[in-house]
Amino acid sequence: QKEVEQNSGPLSVPEGAIASLNCTYSDRGSQSFFWYRQYSGKSPELIMFIYSNGDKEDGRFTAQLNKASQYVSLLIRDSQPSDSATYLCAVGLTGFQKLVFGTGTRLLVSP
Amino acid sequence: DGGITQSPKYLFRKEGQNVTLSCEQNLNHDAMYWYRQDPGQGLRLIYYSQIVNDFQKGDIAEGYSVSREKKESFPLTVTSAQKNPTAFYLCASSSGQGSYNEQFFGPGTRLTVL
Repeated sequence: QKEVEQNSGPLSVPEGAIASLNCTYSDRGSQSFFWYRQYSGKSPELIMFIYSNGDKEDGRFTAQLNKASQYVSLLIRDSQPSDSATYLCAVGLTGFQKLVFGTGTRLLVSP
Repeated sequence: DGGITQSPKYLFRKEGQNVTLSCEQNLNHDAMYWYRQDPGQGLRLIYYSQIVNDFQKGDIAEGYSVSREKKESFPLTVTSAQKNPTAFYLCASSSGQGSYNEQFFGPGTRLTVL
């Protein structure tokens, strides 16, 4: 059974702080990793993807991948109240079209 | 303006009725997907299609049916055999090329059984 696990939260951080969201996965054949942001009542929006070990930065967002430990994380620097949402981690296998989604971590950024 | 559209936004179904949810994309993507999301839950895959006239069952296909007659369209029918259909339904697409497959989502259809 391929699984993707996330802490459901909520993760509460003050405005301006760094939010750290974590995700672990069970299938060692996983090759692609995605972070989606989902506001309440809305559809998921792709914000980051990473395929290689290490860090990938895009603006205030940094995705970190460690394949040996089977975890992927998302750091949000200078967190804003508008970042308050549920963040979904998704994992894909090479050559397959399907993604496996975690249940998401709810982030609350307080002013 | 490229994107994925879903209609209707809200849908109410009576017990025993079949209903069809529409999904259209103009991104020229080969692959399309249907997911179901229940409150506090992750996304569960219902059906997916990699090319026209072909589709595969996902993890929870029972009580659902799909067709893929055109590249840009992937409608989902929720049949009366689906015992608990009230949920948020999300359609997604990806280019389907290469090893990596970023999926992009439509705005969703919220289905309620009366």
